[in-house]
Amino acid sequence: DTEVTQTPKHLVMGMTNKKSLKCEQHMGHRAMYWYKQKAKKPPELMFVYSYEKLSINESVPSRFSPECPNSSLLNLHLHALQPEDSALYLCASSQGEKLFFGSGTQLSVL
Amino acid sequence: EDQVTQSPEALRLQEGESSSLNCSYTVSGLRGLFWYRQDPGKGPEFLFTLYSAGEEKEKERLKATLTKKESFLHITAPKPEDSATYLCAVHSNTGNQFYFGTGTSLTVIP
Repeated sequence: DTEVTQTPKHLVMGMTNKKSLKCEQHMGHRAMYWYKQKAKKPPELMFVYSYEKLSINESVPSRFSPECPNSSLLNLHLHALQPEDSALYLCASSQGEKLFFGSGTQLSVL
Repeated sequence: EDQVTQSPEALRLQEGESSSLNCSYTVSGLRGLFWYRQDPGKGPEFLFTLYSAGEEKEKERLKATLTKKESFLHITAPKPEDSATYLCAVHSNTGNQFYFGTGTSLTVIP
């Protein structure tokens, strides 16, 4: 099983809403990632969790708040987003040198 | 500074017309070079990992090769269903980061 599952697949939210993106993997991977991808651009790293601890935060605004409740789950809490935050949000996991992506959450902020 | 550059940005091929995509990289220490295929609105799909210069891997109409400075993704007799964006990424020795190129958008015309 090489699957990373993300929910929801699509999300529309207003600038005052609070929502969460969820990611799950059962491959035993100990590193999990959040990436943001705009149309026709490569994925941009946001956060890395290694052994359930935040190891990299790429200067992401505080309106994005990651959480890793256990080794299989990764959440991204969203609050007071801006329209320019509309993008495809990708979760990934890795063990060693292989990085596997979920299918993403397409987020629109109105 | 670790860097990944892909060329061309976009490529249009006739069905059956073979070609190659390029990925040039500069990293402090290469742990692995990856090729992904991405369809619009979807997460990147893992294709290959290459670890050392001279290594080659094949999958159907795709063949990936690696030198000390670049990697090529050769597409032999492409079909319309090969149309997608192809992303290259490197995993370096500095931390648990994967650096992505900007991708090549491939269109195969019937």
